[in-house]
Amino acid sequence: QVQLQESGPGLVKPSGTLSLTCAVSGGSISSTNWWSWIRQPPGKGLEWIGEIYHSGGTNYNPSLKSRVTVSVDKSKNQFSLKLRSVTAADTAVYYCARKKRYFHESSGHEFEDYWGQGTLVTVSS
Amino acid sequence: DIQMTQSPSSLSASVGDRVTITCRASQGISNYLAWFQQKPGKAPKSLIYAASSLQSEVPSKFSGSGSGTDFTLTISSLQPEDFATYYCQQYNSYPRTFGGGTKVEIK
Repeated sequence: QVQLQESGPGLVKPSGTLSLTCAVSGGSISSTNWWSWIRQPPGKGLEWIGEIYHSGGTNYNPSLKSRVTVSVDKSKNQFSLKLRSVTAADTAVYYCARKKRYFHESSGHEFEDYWGQGTLVTVSS
Repeated sequence: DIQMTQSPSSLSASVGDRVTITCRASQGISNYLAWFQQKPGKAPKSLIYAASSLQSEVPSKFSGSGSGTDFTLTISSLQPEDFATYYCQQYNSYPRTFGGGTKVEIK
């Protein structure tokens, strides 16, 4: 069973860069899955940030696209998130997840089926 | 972006109750909808995809229905472990978006 584990600083200064890594175990990051980042501000709902394929293809939320980079390191079986120019509004629990394709009535359905435990990142001076 | 609206935002129910949560999309998404359960301090857990297909090892008391813009998640007989917040997510188009959540509390 695949497992994902986020790591990175829990405190980032305003205007700085948030950097997180997601280590994947129990499966290869080079499999036919996409790998996602999703965040949740304290007491609020979920926001999709972006995703990456092992070949390097990415998709980003337009609301964050100018500040976000998601990258993959196949040699370490991990992928990473960088969010630049952070403000207090970026304070959230950040989750990494696997997006897998399932088939239902011959149609492909891709959604986040396994998630990491999440890591709280606070933006504060 | 496709807006996902869940109702109610919270509800109180008793053990054994049948509970229904609604999710409405701002435009048609066919059946490209997933449901997640989140308990306090934990990551979301996938329950249903394709609007009505149960994820493996999810008990059959959970069921989903709908297509187009209107969807429902039903818990047939609420148990103590089901008290949580439930989210819908559309994956028909980018950016993928979630509903605001429905918190199911003990009456």
